Amino acid sequence: KAGVTQTPRYLIKTRGQQVTLSCSPISGHRSVSWYQQTPGQGLQFLFEYFSETQRNKGNFPGRFSGRQFSNSRSEMNVSTLELGDSALYLCASSYDRRGVTGELFFGEGSRLTVL
Amino acid sequence: KQEVTQIPAALSVPEGENLVLNCSFTDSAIYNLQWFRQDPGKGLTSLLLIQSSQREQTSGRLNASLDKSSGRSTLYIAASQPGDSATYLCAVSPGNTGKLIFGQGTTLQVKP
Repeated sequence: KAGVTQTPRYLIKTRGQQVTLSCSPISGHRSVSWYQQTPGQGLQFLFEYFSETQRNKGNFPGRFSGRQFSNSRSEMNVSTLELGDSALYLCASSYDRRGVTGELFFGEGSRLTVL
Repeated sequence: KQEVTQIPAALSVPEGENLVLNCSFTDSAIYNLQWFRQDPGKGLTSLLLIQSSQREQTSGRLNASLDKSSGRSTLYIAASQPGDSATYLCAVSPGNTGKLIFGQGTTLQVKP
């Protein structure tokens, strides 16, 4: 069974640009969550999507957005990039059965460097 | 506001030792608690999930306990091996969703 797949794995952007990251969850998983990991702040929750709807949102500015498609694949977008957006962006999926969220499984992440 | 703390931040032990990693959280109203492992530059690997109604979970050489009333969890690693070297992260879920609140992690080095 394939795990959570994130693309691209590495990317370099310059300030002011925008970026789109993609996440394919484990087959059958309908919940997709996004996290930002930096050396200073650690792992911080960005948002979660379930059945194409945003179910939860963390404390990040509106430049960070996401969406989920009918096949549960998700994308996140960061507009007007800042140096501080350099981070490892991790996606996680979970199997939501009868309204019960189970174990979260993470992808390998997308390493974003903003110059 | 839920806060998760992990002690110690770093730990170095000789191979074969049994060790305990600690995790504490400030709000006992959690849905579940999950332990992860992260190798340098990699994603997170789920180790154990403990539901709020459970007291412990075991997988191989790993055993995790949960005491909600005191806001504490421990991860016990038996007979440590060099391959166990990684950062171990504890995370709590405040509700029935995919939102997790993470601790800063404990970086473990097991020396041959």
